[in-house]
Order: sequence, then structure tokens, then C-alpha cells
Amino acid sequence: DQQVKQNSPSLSVQEGRISILNCDYTNSMFDYFLWYKKYPAEGPTFLISISSIKDKNEDGRFTVFLNKSAKHLSLHIVPSQPGDSAVYFCAASAGGTSYGKLTFGQGTILTVHP
Amino acid sequence: DTEVTQTPKHLVMGMTNKKSLKCEQHMGHRAMYWYKQKAKKPPELMFVYSYEKLSINESVPSRFSPECPNSSLLNLHLHALQPEDSALYLCASRIQGAPVNGYTFGSGTRLTVV
Repeated sequence: DQQVKQNSPSLSVQEGRISILNCDYTNSMFDYFLWYKKYPAEGPTFLISISSIKDKNEDGRFTVFLNKSAKHLSLHIVPSQPGDSAVYFCAASAGGTSYGKLTFGQGTILTVHP
Repeated sequence: DTEVTQTPKHLVMGMTNKKSLKCEQHMGHRAMYWYKQKAKKPPELMFVYSYEKLSINESVPSRFSPECPNSSLLNLHLHALQPEDSALYLCASRIQGAPVNGYTFGSGTRLTVV
């Protein structure tokens, strides 16, 4: 049962344009959502997060939007740069006694062309 | 020191071998994690250690045996693995009780079982 889904395996964008990566979840207990960036042969690197009490969080070129009613979140990267090319994972966590367990989506490969 | 260091980076082992993966951090994080990532799949939680005690075992087969000998070190002992256990094994740590965006991942050990 895939509780976090990223339905687009890949996304190709021109440098300077906006990249929009999408993520859907099914577990209503999730209360914290994160985006990670991953290069081959490296561990995931934290990008940005959002709590379920918010609908938007911004950090520089990265903005995450959360639509709780639709159980959907998205990551916007503006402007996109070639160095942003990587695999992007959406992850979710449920509070309480989850001990900080992260449930990941399948990932989206972002390619930013110069 | 803000890193999680995993050794070895690559490991090839036979199905009758015994080997160990090592993870080390000196950030004072008291929650430590093992995740497994198979090719083209998301990372999946295996074990959680909290204050050097095993808190979560996600129904992992007994051929994987975790150990946390002190607050800086996390081991994963491997015995009688199967070829389907070939994967990237990621270690992570965070401050116990802190938001999950405080995770720090290591670069992983790429394990191949032959």
C-alpha cells in the first residue's frame, strides 16, 4: 500500500522556468511533509518541509504548497537551474510515537536543460 | 562535524558470508535509523534506535541484525543474505524529539549479494 505517491517519474524543464513536482498521500495521520533531493551515490538531502497546520512554506527558490483536503502537496522551484537536476523525493511523517519514521514517495527525476 | 559517515561505500558479498555495515555520527543525535532503498524504489525504514535502544523493527528478516553499541555508532550485521537484498542501505540520525526535518542521511552503502 503506497501511502505517498509521486505519479510523475520524470520532469524536464528549461533553465529559468518553473519546475512543479507533485505528491499525493493517503494517510490522514501524516502531519509533517518534506522534500528531499538525491544525487546518485549520495544520501537524500533535506530541501524544505511543511507542517499540516500551514498551506505554504517558502525558502529561497523553493516553495512547498499543501492542500490537506485534497491530500496533495507540490514543490515549486523558481527559477530552475541545471544544478537542480536530481531525483526529488516527497516524504511524510506522522507525529506521536512514530519515532520520526519517514514514508517516501517513489521519486521524480528532474532534468533542467541549459 | 555535521555528517553521518557510512562505511564501506560498496560491498559485494556471497550468500554464505557474514559482513557488517557501519554508521557513525558525532552530532549528539540520539535517534538513529536504517533505511533500505532498492533500485527505482523509495527508501523504506528498517530499524529505529532511540537512546541506543531498538524502538522500531519494521518486520525485517532476522538475517539483518542491528546493533547500537554507543550513541555515535550504529551497525547492521548481515548474514545469509539473498540476492534480492541487494540495495542501497542508508543510515540517518536526528535529535530525538526534534522535527523530522532535522534528519541527516549518510551517503549509503551499496550492497550487492551474489
